[in-house]
Amino acid sequence: ETGVTQSPTHLIKTRGQQVTLRCSSQSGHNTVSWYQQALGQGPQFIFQYYREEENGRGNFPPRFSGLQFPNYSSELNVNALELDDSALYLCASSPSADEDTQYFGPGTRLTVL
Amino acid sequence: AQSVTQLGSHVSVSEGALVLLRCNYSSSVPPYLFWYVQYPNQGLQLLLKYTSAATLVKGINGFEAEFKKSETSFHLTKPSAHMSDAAEYFCAAYTNTGNQFYFGTGTSLTVIP
Repeated sequence: ETGVTQSPTHLIKTRGQQVTLRCSSQSGHNTVSWYQQALGQGPQFIFQYYREEENGRGNFPPRFSGLQFPNYSSELNVNALELDDSALYLCASSPSADEDTQYFGPGTRLTVL
Repeated sequence: AQSVTQLGSHVSVSEGALVLLRCNYSSSVPPYLFWYVQYPNQGLQLLLKYTSAATLVKGINGFEAEFKKSETSFHLTKPSAHMSDAAEYFCAAYTNTGNQFYFGTGTSLTVIP
C-alpha cells in the first residue's frame, strides 16, 4: 500500500468551471508530483512541488496551478476547464526531490461536460 | 527531451506463457528506468526500477527487466503468465533535468486461459 491518498475519487464539472484536487503524500515524503492521464494514454507530467515550492513543470498552460502545504499535502487547481481536461489525475509522492522512486495515489477521475 | 516508446499497445499471451513487453528510451545518458503496472480504476504500482546498478533487475510478482544500453532498451519479462497479470503496463524514465518522469503510452496485457 502506497499511503498516498487523493480526493475526491470522481468529479464532474462543466466547461469554464474551476476545480481543486487534493493529495496527501505518504508519511515522510516531502515531494509531490501531479500527472494527467487521458484515456488510453500514459501519464503526462504536470508539475512537481518540493518543500512548498514548484520544482519542475511539464508542458501545461498556466491555468494548471498547484500548492504544497507545510505538511506536504498538495492541491492541483485547474481554471477555465476545457473538455480535454477530462482525465485521471494522479498524484505521486517521493521522499525527496532527488529520490527517483515515486509512489502513486489512486487518482481522481475528472469529467468535464 | 527524454522519450519512452513502448512497442505494442496490446499484447496477448496464454496463461503459463512467456510475457515480453518492450520499452525503448531515447537518451545519450541512460536515465533511471521503471516499470509500473496499473489495474483498472487504480493508480500506478511500481514493479521494478533500474538505477545503474545491475543490468538485470528483479521486481515483484515474478517480473524482471534487463537494461541494454547498446539497444537503449528496458524490456519487461515474466517466464510464466498468470491470469492476475492482466493489466496496463507503463515504462517510465526519470531524469534529474526537470525532475520529471516520462511515461510511455502503455501496453495492455491480456492473459488467455
